[in-house]
Amino acid sequence: DAKTTQPTSMDCAEGRAANLPCNHSTISGNEYVYWYRQIHSQGPQYIIHGLKNNETNEMASLIITEDRKSSTLILPHATLRDTAVYYCIVRPQEKSNYQLIWGAGTKLIIKP
Amino acid sequence: DAGVTQSPTHLIKTRGQQVTLRCSPKSGHDTVSWYQQALGQGPQFIFQYYEEEERQRGNFPDRFSGHQFPNYSSELNVNALWLGDSALYLCASSLGTGILGQFFGPGTRLTVL
Repeated sequence: DAKTTQPTSMDCAEGRAANLPCNHSTISGNEYVYWYRQIHSQGPQYIIHGLKNNETNEMASLIITEDRKSSTLILPHATLRDTAVYYCIVRPQEKSNYQLIWGAGTKLIIKP
Repeated sequence: DAGVTQSPTHLIKTRGQQVTLRCSPKSGHDTVSWYQQALGQGPQFIFQYYEEEERQRGNFPDRFSGHQFPNYSSELNVNALWLGDSALYLCASSLGTGILGQFFGPGTRLTVL
C-alpha cells in the first residue's frame, strides 16, 4: 500500500478554514484517499474519501491534485471541537477487504 | 442508538497475565474489527470477525485471539501479556466487511505493569 506523509502538528484560529495537507506521491491508480479524525479519548471518525475528483460533504472538503500525489482536507470554519488528530490514508479500491494502514496523523489545534 | 460500546474503559494487568476485552457493535451491524493503538500512533489492525469467524488478520501473534457471538458482540483475548501490549484497544463495527460505514468505539485503555 502507498504511504502518506503529514505534518506532525498544525494550529488554526477558530472560525478560519483549516487546511490539512497530505503527501501520497506513490499512490496507485486504484487507490482511494481516506481521511479520519480522532478526538481525544474517542475512537476514530470517518470524514471523507475520494479517488480523483474533489469531494465535499457536511464535514469537510477534499481537494486532490491532478497528479493525485497530494491532497488537502479543508474544514471551512474550524471550531474548538475540531481539535483532533487527523489521519490521511490511501487504500486500494473502495469496497475490497484491504484494511487501512494508519500513520501517526496531524494533530490539529484550533485556537480561540 | 448506543453506538459501539466497549468494556472495561480502563484495565491494569501485570506481565504474563491474560486479559479479555469486550465489544458490542452498533445496532444493525454484523461485523467487528479490533485495533491496537499505541500512544502517539495510529490504530493497527488486529483482526476482523464476521459470521462468528475470523475473516482477516493483521500482523499480530497468536497470543491475540478473538471470538464473535451470535448476537454479533465480540471479545478480544490477549495471553501472556507483555509491557508492549499497553495500548488503547479499539473496536469498530460495520454492516459487512467493507471499511466504509465503520463506526469506532471509545476504546479500552490497557496498561501492563
